[in-house]
Amino acid sequence: GNSVTQMEGPVTLSEEAFLTINCTYTATGYPSLFWYVQYPGEGLQLLLKATKADDKGSNKGFEATYRKETTSFHLEKGSVQVSDSAVYFCALDEAPGSRLTFGEGTQLTVNP
Amino acid sequence: GAVVSQHPSWVICKSGTSVKIECRSLDFQATTMFWYRQFPKQSLMLMATSNEGSKATYEQGVEKDKFLINHASLTLSTLTVTSAHPEDSSFYICSARETVSRNQPQHFGDGTRLSIL
Repeated sequence: GNSVTQMEGPVTLSEEAFLTINCTYTATGYPSLFWYVQYPGEGLQLLLKATKADDKGSNKGFEATYRKETTSFHLEKGSVQVSDSAVYFCALDEAPGSRLTFGEGTQLTVNP
Repeated sequence: GAVVSQHPSWVICKSGTSVKIECRSLDFQATTMFWYRQFPKQSLMLMATSNEGSKATYEQGVEKDKFLINHASLTLSTLTVTSAHPEDSSFYICSARETVSRNQPQHFGDGTRLSIL
């Protein structure tokens, strides 16, 4: 079956530090890959996505590249802000309209 | 952008009552909506897939009679927690996917925090 594995958290950084949150996946087909962000007490917001190998998703300074050879979709940001503090979820779906498989989530705290 | 509205955002009620949660896609049509449950500091657990005009598909271990799902239109799905008990207290989140085209991501509501006393 499908699975998504994220790096263990929590992650604590100082403002302007570089961020990497690792995500690897297992899937039988050719999934689309997503990063979602959840702020306290809220639902999930789509941060970025990639639908095929070598695609790079980007949004709000965050980037992730779909690496089929390493089955990875690591999230990166060059300079984090306090407002980036949230829980980040990596996810995949194997077909349009199909269910999402989520990783465990990674709590990010950015200190001023 | 695509917006999903979930209501109510927070509900507190006595044990034994039934609670209905609404999930609406405000500016798009959604043939399929999803209902998730999230425990504190954990990931989302898919409970069921709601299909417009047909029965919902429940995940293994989710009680159909306990969590009633109705998807009567292309913009509305409801989850009713029947005879709720304290163990049903949780954060419930819905999502919807636009019907129109392939590779559209799921858009999530802001969640409903359910507390059963």
